[in-house]
Amino acid sequence: DTEVTQTPKHLVMGMTNKKSLKCEQHMGHRAMYWYKQKAKKPPELMFVYSYEKLSINESVPSRFSPECPNSSLLNLHLHALQPEDSALYLCASSHSIWTGGQETQYFGPGTRLLVL
Amino acid sequence: KNQVEQSPQSLIILEGKNCTLQCNYTVSPFSNLRWYKQDTGRGPVSLTIMTFSENTKSNGRYTATLDADTKQSSLHITASQLSDSASYICVVSRYNTDKLIFGTGTRLQVFP
Repeated sequence: DTEVTQTPKHLVMGMTNKKSLKCEQHMGHRAMYWYKQKAKKPPELMFVYSYEKLSINESVPSRFSPECPNSSLLNLHLHALQPEDSALYLCASSHSIWTGGQETQYFGPGTRLLVL
Repeated sequence: KNQVEQSPQSLIILEGKNCTLQCNYTVSPFSNLRWYKQDTGRGPVSLTIMTFSENTKSNGRYTATLDADTKQSSLHITASQLSDSASYICVVSRYNTDKLIFGTGTRLQVFP
């Protein structure tokens, strides 16, 4: 099973709402990532988790709050978002981050988020 | 500065034709280079991965080349199909870091 799943596929939320994005993988990967991708732009790294601990936070605003409850799950909690946060949010996983960049990251299908 | 540049930005070809996409990078120290295919609204899917010592890698109708001396890579698509319509992203890893450096992609459209 080389699949990363993400739910929901689409999400529309107001600026005062609280919502969560979910990501799951069962490949035994110990590194998981959140990316944000605007239209016609490459993905931008937001967070990296390694062995359920936050390893990298790319200076992401606090209205985005990641959580890794176990090695298979990664959540992204959203609160008080702005319209400019509308984007495709991609989750990815890889075997480990301690391999000198050798690991392939497997991406999920993404959650298309629209903030009104 | 660690950068990955791709050309062309967009490309339109007829079904059955071949095409070649280019990637130039200035990433150092270099670890590996990947080509991803991304359908609109979907996550990227890895096509090939090449390390410093590899200069060609094939995956079906996709063939990637790497010239580590000139820091250039290409992705050649043979006998294109309508399903090849997607963005193709060149991604380079720096050694000893898990951060990927993404190119801006080439948007390929295949018409019948």
